[in-house]
Amino acid sequence: GENVEQHPSTLSVQEGDSAVIKCTYSDSASNYFPWYKQELGKGPQLIIDIRSNVGEKKDQRIAVTLNKTAKHFSLHITETQPEDSAVYFCAAKGSGAGSYQLTFGKGTKLSVIP
Amino acid sequence: ETGVTQSPTHLIKTRGQQVTLRCSSQSGHNTVSWYQQALGQGPQFIFQYYREEENGRGNFPPRFSGLQFPNYSSELNVNALELDDSALYLCASSLTEDYEQYFGPGTRLTVT
Repeated sequence: GENVEQHPSTLSVQEGDSAVIKCTYSDSASNYFPWYKQELGKGPQLIIDIRSNVGEKKDQRIAVTLNKTAKHFSLHITETQPEDSAVYFCAAKGSGAGSYQLTFGKGTKLSVIP
Repeated sequence: ETGVTQSPTHLIKTRGQQVTLRCSSQSGHNTVSWYQQALGQGPQFIFQYYREEENGRGNFPPRFSGLQFPNYSSELNVNALELDDSALYLCASSLTEDYEQYFGPGTRLTVT
């Protein structure tokens, strides 16, 4: 089955700096890669996603890049703010019947220092 | 538009007991997926229901079972609870089986 590895496990940045979180996946059939933000005591919130026919996607201060050949994808947050502090999860999903589950990385705890 | 809701918020059970967790999907969504999230870990897929049928299952034993109702709400049932079942149980709904998944707030289950 699919295996997703996520690095780093913790990340501290100064407010206004950029943060980058990287993930690798094992199943070349995976074709959808979402990123979730989880705040303490809450469920994961979808913040951005990318499909395998696209190399990069941007939404304001957040961007995701995908390298299908190397089987890795990254989340980039620019101009970080204290409210960006949370745990971020990457995930991968395949296609076809029975393959619609998300496989998650172990998470990155991001701390933005004011 | 109402998001995904789950009940109860917290639950404490004793080893060997049975538990039922409930999820109401987002309006217009016909697919519900359940995940287990242990402390400090990413969510792990339990199973997915699409139009009232199980549509995929993760590596969980048969004592984890589920249902989806005609209004697309769903239940997760766990029999013979074990201490390791203590976790946050998350429900996610999607427009259909291959679309973006939106999570509810979760049910925190503690087994003593």
